[in-house]
Amino acid sequence: DADVTQTPRNRITKTGKRIMLECSQTKGHDRMYWYRQDPGLGLRLIYYSFDVKDINKGEISDGYSVSRQAQAKFSLSLESAIPNQTALYFCATSVRGVSGANVLTFGAGSRLTVL
Amino acid sequence: QQQVKQSPQSLIVQKGGISIINCAYENTAFDYFPWYQQFPGKGPALLIAIRPDVSEKKEGRFTISFNKSAKQFSLHIMDSQPGDSATYFCAASRAWRSGGSNYKLTFGKGTLLTVNP
Repeated sequence: DADVTQTPRNRITKTGKRIMLECSQTKGHDRMYWYRQDPGLGLRLIYYSFDVKDINKGEISDGYSVSRQAQAKFSLSLESAIPNQTALYFCATSVRGVSGANVLTFGAGSRLTVL
Repeated sequence: QQQVKQSPQSLIVQKGGISIINCAYENTAFDYFPWYQQFPGKGPALLIAIRPDVSEKKEGRFTISFNKSAKQFSLHIMDSQPGDSATYFCAASRAWRSGGSNYKLTFGKGTLLTVNP
C-alpha cells in the first residue's frame, strides 16, 4: 500500500457541485499539505496542517476548505466547484529530515475536472 | 511574487547528453534547496537536496551546483537517459526550526525534460 493515498484518483463534476478529495497516510507524519498543480504554474500550496488542531492557509486557499479528521487524514473540499478549479491535486506529508530539512512525501494525485 | 524562478520551462536532450536546469531565489533566508522529480501519473519525489554551506552535491549522475552570492542553484544530469524524462521542480525553504511556518517549501514552476533515445 502507498504511504500517502489519495481518493478519488479522477473525478469529473459540474459547476456548483460540492467535491471532497481525501488523503490518508501511514507514515505517521504530523504535517500534511494540499497542493494544486497546473501546467506552467508548478505546485501551489492550498492549505497545510501541522497537527490535528493547527490548520493554515496557503497561497491559494480561496474557494477551498480542509478538515484534519485525525493525524492520518486530511481532506480538501470545494464547496461550489468552478471550472478554473480543474487541476491535479496532491496531498503530501512531511517529516524533519537530516539537518532540519523538510522532506515531502507526495500522494499519486487526484485529477479533478469541473465542467 | 515568485520567490523561486526556474528555467527553462522545457528541455530536450539526446541520450548521453547533459541536462541543466537553473533556479534563482530571492529570499536570502532560504537555506535548504531540494529538487523533486515527477514522472507522468505520479507525485513528485525528492531527488537530491543541498544546504548553502557547500557549493556542490553529487549523487550518481545528478549534481546540484549552488552559488550563494548569485542566489542561484542548478541541477545537472550527466549522461542523460530516456528514463530521466520527467518534470523537475526546484524548491527552497528555511530549514525546519522549532515553531513557525517558515520551513514551507516554495516551488519553481517546473521543467519538463525529454531525453531522446
